[in-house]
Amino acid sequence: DQQVKQNSPSLSVQEGRISILNCDYTNSMFDYFLWYKKYPAEGPTFLISISSIKDKNEDGRFTVFLNKSAKHLSLHIVPSQPGDSAVYFCAASISGNTPLVFGKGTRLSVIA
Amino acid sequence: DGGITQSPKYLFRKEGQNVTLSCEQNLNHDAMYWYRQDPGQGLRLIYYSQIVNDFQKGDIAEGYSVSREKKESFPLTVTSAQKNPTAFYLCASSSRDISTNEKLFFGSGTQLSVL
Repeated sequence: DQQVKQNSPSLSVQEGRISILNCDYTNSMFDYFLWYKKYPAEGPTFLISISSIKDKNEDGRFTVFLNKSAKHLSLHIVPSQPGDSAVYFCAASISGNTPLVFGKGTRLSVIA
Repeated sequence: DGGITQSPKYLFRKEGQNVTLSCEQNLNHDAMYWYRQDPGQGLRLIYYSQIVNDFQKGDIAEGYSVSREKKESFPLTVTSAQKNPTAFYLCASSSRDISTNEKLFFGSGTQLSVL
């Protein structure tokens, strides 16, 4: 029973355009959400996070949007660059004690 | 440099053999975690420890064992009971400081393969 779902296994975007990666969750108790970026044979690196008290958080080219009523969040990358090509994992937790729960990831390919 | 060190980078296991993956952190984090990555499966939690001498099973703990005798170290043993051990194993740590909201820091991973 997946609590965090990334329904698109892959996404291809042209360089300079916007990349939009989507994530849905089922547990309404989740109140903290993160995006991680992962290159092959390396550990994931933290990208951006958002608390449930916000609906948007921006960091440079990366913006995360949270729609609590729809239990949906998305990561926008603008403009997309070839170095953004990686697997992106959405993760969620209940603040306090629970480990992060990860989605299955979306492989982003940015084409020059 | 503070960080998480996993070793070895590549590991091969023979049938019926137990193998141990090392994970050391010098971030002074209280919590440590082991995740397993399989193609198309994302990251699945094996075990985690929020404090020395205590640990909890994650979603796929069968066939694995851990210990947490020191704050800095959280080794994972893949036992012969784990029938499908081939995967990329990731160790992570996090601060219990609520201001960091449990952001995980990951090691570079160990690829385990069965001979």
